[in-house]
Amino acid sequence: AQSVSQHNHHVILSEAASLELGCNYSYGGTVNLFWYVQYPGQHLQLLLKYFSGDPLVKGIKGFEAEFIKSKFSFNLRKPSVQWSDTAEYFCAVSPNNNAGNMLTFGGGTRLMVKP
Amino acid sequence: EPEVTQTPSHQVTQMGQEVILRCVPISNHLYFYWYRQILGQKVEFLVSFYNNEISEKSEIFDDQFSVERPDGSNFTLKIRSTKLEDSAMYFCASRTNGNTIYFGEGSWLTVV
Repeated sequence: AQSVSQHNHHVILSEAASLELGCNYSYGGTVNLFWYVQYPGQHLQLLLKYFSGDPLVKGIKGFEAEFIKSKFSFNLRKPSVQWSDTAEYFCAVSPNNNAGNMLTFGGGTRLMVKP
Repeated sequence: EPEVTQTPSHQVTQMGQEVILRCVPISNHLYFYWYRQILGQKVEFLVSFYNNEISEKSEIFDDQFSVERPDGSNFTLKIRSTKLEDSAMYFCASRTNGNTIYFGEGSWLTVV
């Protein structure tokens, strides 16, 4: 079974600071990787995803993530955060086996951006 | 953009009562899911459904839970006899043959 770890539970940044949220996973096979964002009071929204190819993927709102296979990591980055990025961020993994593609989520990282 | 829609958005129910949470997945999607998020905890997988049957389920999805796709558009989660610990946000999700899963806005269930 796969598992996902997000080591930063709470992050507080000032506007314009750079962001990097860590995500590590464990799984014996090939995986699909996702970052979802949950703004206060809203549902989970897909930020970006990696299935194959270029390990650096760009998502919406200036976010990007890099898949480093050797480190089992898929860290999320943004060079300059805004107050509107305040949200909870979830890393998720699903096995790339074309079956149910069950998502396993990390525990989430709450980001607060101070204006 | 097509969306997964869920009803009700909020429900308060007494312990022991039956609850049905409803979802309308995106119309051309083939795989359907229920996840839940207890307040302050991580999002947890409950069940996946494909071709009119359960394809995977977690340990959480015990005999008190059931899913149904009664009419080709709705996808329901029934909790037969609710417990206090069933209080959570329940998310429905769906996907096509691709790997991206789209989530609904959630149904917030409070058991008192």
